[in-house]
Amino acid sequence: DTAVSQTPKYLVTQMGNDKSIKCEQNLGHDTMYWYKQDSKKFLKIMFSYNNKELIINETVPNRFSPKSPDKAHLNLHINSLELGDSAVYFCASRVAGGEQYFGPGTRLTVT
Amino acid sequence: KQEVTQIPAALSVPEGENLVLNCSFTDSAIYNLQWFRQDPGKGLTSLLLIQSSQREQTSGRLNASLDKSSGRSTLYIAASQPGDSATYLCAVRPQGSARQLTFGSGTQLTVLP
Repeated sequence: DTAVSQTPKYLVTQMGNDKSIKCEQNLGHDTMYWYKQDSKKFLKIMFSYNNKELIINETVPNRFSPKSPDKAHLNLHINSLELGDSAVYFCASRVAGGEQYFGPGTRLTVT
Repeated sequence: KQEVTQIPAALSVPEGENLVLNCSFTDSAIYNLQWFRQDPGKGLTSLLLIQSSQREQTSGRLNASLDKSSGRSTLYIAASQPGDSATYLCAVRPQGSARQLTFGSGTQLTVLP
């Protein structure tokens, strides 16, 4: 009974490809996030999405685009993948004022 | 801009010891602070959430304290066990409409049997 789930768990692809990572939460939370964890294990926010309001981190390239078909899903689409995009991507969700829950992560490797 | 620092970066202790992990943040205008645990190759597990109006939170062998005015939080682990070995991350949520967590770089804890 996973609270925040992501698919796929591992993704290996070549430079220049377009790929998507899916995220679903069954907690009824209003806010969802995407984070990137680099090779040094540092977690950085990429996007947050709250009640149809998207907040974009300005340092994220516009090749990355989040898409939220409904409140329980926030998918991440990446165009023209580059070597530097290799990282672990975490989805998270929370209710206002509450704890933040993370998904298991998607390890993206761009070759 | 909020900056979160965790010291030490790595810590190794024998089983049974009590230990303290430190987290400091530069902007005291926070909404809450959350401690997480991350096991290798896994996602983050929330351990404790402290609201800005609180001084501490306890869960089992874990106790987290918050001193907002000095920009510090500590995570106390009592009677450490090998299963406590993981990376511990501190994250701060600021006041205001953005309210996105800013993470520290973590403390990698190894508890030796």
